[in-house]
Amino acid sequence: DTGVSQDPRHKITKRGQNVTFRCDPISEHNRLYWYRQTLGQGPEFLTYFQNEAQLEKSRLLSDRFSAERPKGSFSTLEIQRTEQGDSAMYLCASSPGQSTGELFFGEGSRLTVL
Amino acid sequence: EDQVTQSPEALRLQEGESSSLNCSYTVSGLRGLFWYRQDPGKGPEFLFTLYSAGEEKEKERLKATLTKKESFLHITAPKPEDSATYLCAVQAGGFQKLVFGTGTRLLVSP
Repeated sequence: DTGVSQDPRHKITKRGQNVTFRCDPISEHNRLYWYRQTLGQGPEFLTYFQNEAQLEKSRLLSDRFSAERPKGSFSTLEIQRTEQGDSAMYLCASSPGQSTGELFFGEGSRLTVL
Repeated sequence: EDQVTQSPEALRLQEGESSSLNCSYTVSGLRGLFWYRQDPGKGPEFLFTLYSAGEEKEKERLKATLTKKESFLHITAPKPEDSATYLCAVQAGGFQKLVFGTGTRLLVSP
């Protein structure tokens, strides 16, 4: 399968713990995005990378959230000191350099904070 | 602030019963309007991009149209496999982020 891969698919954690999600984009795509989606809502933008550079970051992304894409390939999204409000589906997407808006999404990582 | 409103929230159709989904938007300098399909437990799947008023795109039983204030997704003679949530999103000029609406949940009964 050559689509966007996310790991883990499901994560249950206790409030206050740190969690990390990994995204492997489609190999020839240099753009990578993170979105968050809660039940009944559309995806909400978190951050965008072009190669290894983080070029856009939502104002909604608190200091507890950090994302990296160290070699311009896979990316990680870390949430520190999780809160119950962080419970959501975290979606990763990628796109080729010439594309605008046509994103290829992974199946997401579902986070439940108890 | 860029905003997308979709209606109805949910729509139930009989197989073969055509209908339309609406997406109203406000955006500073529209760069593109996008339609995605999302099945339960899956990530969204790209359907169409529309760039300017008057533009239309078609794919099988789906047709998307765009005006200066809204977009419509027309579904002709739907089948049960068209059941999904349909998401509309806009992109403002100069930015990569997409602003999504809350979606329309479509259920097509045989």
